Amino acid sequence: SQQGEEDPQALSIQEGENATMNCSYKTSINNLQWYRQNSGRGLVHLILIRSNEREKHSGRLRVTLDTSKKSSSLLITASRAADTASYFCATVLIQGAQKLVFGQGTRLTINP
Amino acid sequence: EPEVTQTPSHQVTQMGQEVILRCVPISNHLYFYWYRQILGQKVEFLVSFYNNEISEKSEIFDDQFSVERPDGSNFTLKIRSTKLEDSAMYFCASSERGSSYNSPLHFGNGTRLTVT
Repeated sequence: SQQGEEDPQALSIQEGENATMNCSYKTSINNLQWYRQNSGRGLVHLILIRSNEREKHSGRLRVTLDTSKKSSSLLITASRAADTASYFCATVLIQGAQKLVFGQGTRLTINP
Repeated sequence: EPEVTQTPSHQVTQMGQEVILRCVPISNHLYFYWYRQILGQKVEFLVSFYNNEISEKSEIFDDQFSVERPDGSNFTLKIRSTKLEDSAMYFCASSERGSSYNSPLHFGNGTRLTVT
């Protein structure tokens, strides 16, 4: 598998439910970031978690990082129709590196 | 809120032609990037630029590609002789500091390049 793989590839839930997306990676990281992309638009940064952090919150978003399992999860609570988008995790591999390595993304659909 | 702007939003060109994609990063940012996303595929890193020089580039960024910051505001990506496989959405991004210093990227809305 490649660096930055999201699971599931697609997720469809009802408005008000919680959505959980997972990301796995292969090599050690400096930080891991989650981005959102609405169809045909640019990526919007959601949250960044450093390699020495285990959990982070921002509004309805909760991100966890387990470096021993090389995995992260993004939880969106009380989902809204406007949360419909693709969600990507991206890793920065080492100190000094500039590139983000993106996963394939999870396509999230919130049904009203 | 300041944003990264890209022009044009859509560019159609013939194979072998040169294209220049333009970006205006956020004004106080120091790092600039180009990424691309072929339809249905991952977002891929092309190049990062800092202090008026390339700081990192991917294997995709071959001699056909170049970047320039011709003045204090614009950041351009040039593809010298386009190929069909260059068709993709090209995203410009900027950040205050480098990615490894926990500085998030701000992306533009992209330029859709179609090579015919």
